[in-house]
Amino acid sequence: SQTIHQWPATLVQPVGSPLSLECTVEGTSNPNLYWYRQAAGRGLQLLFYSVGIGQISSEVPQNLSASRPQDRQFILSSKKLLLSDSGFYLCAWTQQGGNTEAFFGQGTRLTVV
Amino acid sequence: KQEVTQIPAALSVPEGENLVLNCSFTDSAIYNLQWFRQDPGKGLTSLLLIQSSQREQTSGRLNASLDKSSGRSTLYIAASQPGDSATYLCAVNRGSTLGRLYFGRGTQLTVWP
Repeated sequence: SQTIHQWPATLVQPVGSPLSLECTVEGTSNPNLYWYRQAAGRGLQLLFYSVGIGQISSEVPQNLSASRPQDRQFILSSKKLLLSDSGFYLCAWTQQGGNTEAFFGQGTRLTVV
Repeated sequence: KQEVTQIPAALSVPEGENLVLNCSFTDSAIYNLQWFRQDPGKGLTSLLLIQSSQREQTSGRLNASLDKSSGRSTLYIAASQPGDSATYLCAVNRGSTLGRLYFGRGTQLTVWP
């Protein structure tokens, strides 16, 4: 069966510090991968998606970047965090083609102080 | 642009009641619609996926219906239990092979004993 792992679960970082959140998927190959953010009082917003290794598309301009160094690994990064980067970050995957069920990780609660 | 609205925003009911959660979307050109459950501080758990060609899906005490032409979906929960307390999110895949989901803000459900 397929599983998705995200870490860390919780992170408190000072403004201006770097960020690296990691997501890995097991039990499938060549998935579509996604990073969503859930801010307080707002719905989930898609940040990045990837259909293959090294292929990253951004949905909204922001202080963050994403990379996909391996087929089942998706990384969310920042060189310098802002207060506005605080939120709940969720990684998700679907099979190629998009018309399939989406599965989410357990999320990372990021607080920038 | 696809907008997804969920009504009500919050619902509090006694155990045993049958519930209906509503989801509406503005663009009927969708691939599928998915219902999720989110417990506080946790990731999303997929409950039901309805393809655009389907009218409903059932899983245990849950039944989801889809009326694409009117842009509506309902999630019916039979014989509610305190363990059903969570936030329920509706998401539509807007006719894209990329699997991009548009989310509502959710309905926060509390079932009290």
